[in-house]
Amino acid sequence: GAVVSQHPSWVICKSGTSVKIECRSLDFQATTMFWYRQFPKQSLMLMATSNEGSKATYEQGVEKDKFLINHASLTLSTLTVTSAHPEDSSFYICSALGPGPSGASAYGYTFGSGTRLTVV
Amino acid sequence: QKEVEQDPGPLSVPEGAIVSLNCTYSNSAFQYFMWYRQYSRKGPELLMYTYSSGNKEDGRFTAQVDKSSKYISLFIRDSQPSDSATYLCAMSPTGNQFYFGTGTSLTVIP
Repeated sequence: GAVVSQHPSWVICKSGTSVKIECRSLDFQATTMFWYRQFPKQSLMLMATSNEGSKATYEQGVEKDKFLINHASLTLSTLTVTSAHPEDSSFYICSALGPGPSGASAYGYTFGSGTRLTVV
Repeated sequence: QKEVEQDPGPLSVPEGAIVSLNCTYSNSAFQYFMWYRQYSRKGPELLMYTYSSGNKEDGRFTAQVDKSSKYISLFIRDSQPSDSATYLCAMSPTGNQFYFGTGTSLTVIP
């Protein structure tokens, strides 16, 4: 089945530094990937939609200059949290539209395993 | 009104019980319906996928879609402690953008 690999699984960084999170589709090409943020005991909050070869589309209230998204190839999207602060500490999850019997849309999302970011 | 409503729980049942998880929605255009299971500190994993109406069964899991009532359900038979997780419903009109419920936290007590 479709697999999405996300790295790192957890990271601790100092306030003011930047952190990059990678999301790779391992056995399929993903023209569209999604980035979510999840707080404890809450659901997924869509941050942005990443399209290969074009600028990401950010949801309202998400700072595009703080959360830089690059989708340089059909199998890789990256999220960089710039100048991280303690309030950016959260669980970040990526997903990609996977292959399905009737094309990508029929299968829905395949999620990465998530990245727990702690900013100290 | 949210696109998708899901009771967050928490839901606690004894091992072996039948669990019923539900979501309601407001957009009659939704055609793709998914159930995801998320263990703590992990990404969601797809459990069941249904297109349009009807039932789908996979082992101990059964997904039901009632489009007339805008209501979907996930049933878990003979629940096990390993089923303890958060269950997310998701749905879409086209399959390109999905709307998620808030998730229901389930604990199966041995």
